[in-house]
Amino acid sequence: DGGITQSPKYLFRKEGQNVTLSCEQNLNHDAMYWYRQDPGQGLRLIYYSQIVNDFQKGDIAEGYSVSREKKESFPLTVTSAQKNPTAFYLCASSRGEWEQFFGPGTRLTVL
Amino acid sequence: AQSVTQLGSHVSVSEGALVLLRCNYSSSVPPYLFWYVQYPNQGLQLLLKYTTGATLVKGINGFEAEFKKSETSFHLTKPSAHMSDAAEYFCAGGGTSYGKLTFGQGTILTVHP
Repeated sequence: DGGITQSPKYLFRKEGQNVTLSCEQNLNHDAMYWYRQDPGQGLRLIYYSQIVNDFQKGDIAEGYSVSREKKESFPLTVTSAQKNPTAFYLCASSRGEWEQFFGPGTRLTVL
Repeated sequence: AQSVTQLGSHVSVSEGALVLLRCNYSSSVPPYLFWYVQYPNQGLQLLLKYTTGATLVKGINGFEAEFKKSETSFHLTKPSAHMSDAAEYFCAGGGTSYGKLTFGQGTILTVHP
């Protein structure tokens, strides 16, 4: 079955640590996205990539980094510079139409 | 600035009653509009989408939405609510940049027996 996988489902981070969230898709989509979701704030775009080896900052990129070395993969690193990283993180992909397909999400908690 | 506004962060209905979730978009948002549903601790699932053509869009699970350009609205409806419809619903609009979407704040739907 085609789809988007995210791992891990739950992640705990100590203050000062960097952590990497995985996102993989086998839909052959060109574009991939990372969103952060906080209660009552909807989804906010962190980074997006329209093509391999290229990505752009979204609305809240500070404290995050990404890479796009393969079409199928778009990992997100939450760095120690992100002061309030506890949130639900969603990865999505699309093939050029506006419709985006979402993964199941990763819940990150800072201890 | 582009914006998508969902009126009402919480909506409560009785099972079998009409569901109406409201969404308005700013005129700067291109008319690519979507409704997504999210169940607790899960990703978003597409309910329906409007791109061009017919203004009444039918989606999955009996939901539909009507695109009204004059009112800049894209409200989601379902004639008869079911307990399984309880979830959070997001309206989203296409941005000016390739593939970027602007999301509303979300509306949590509660269905009472």
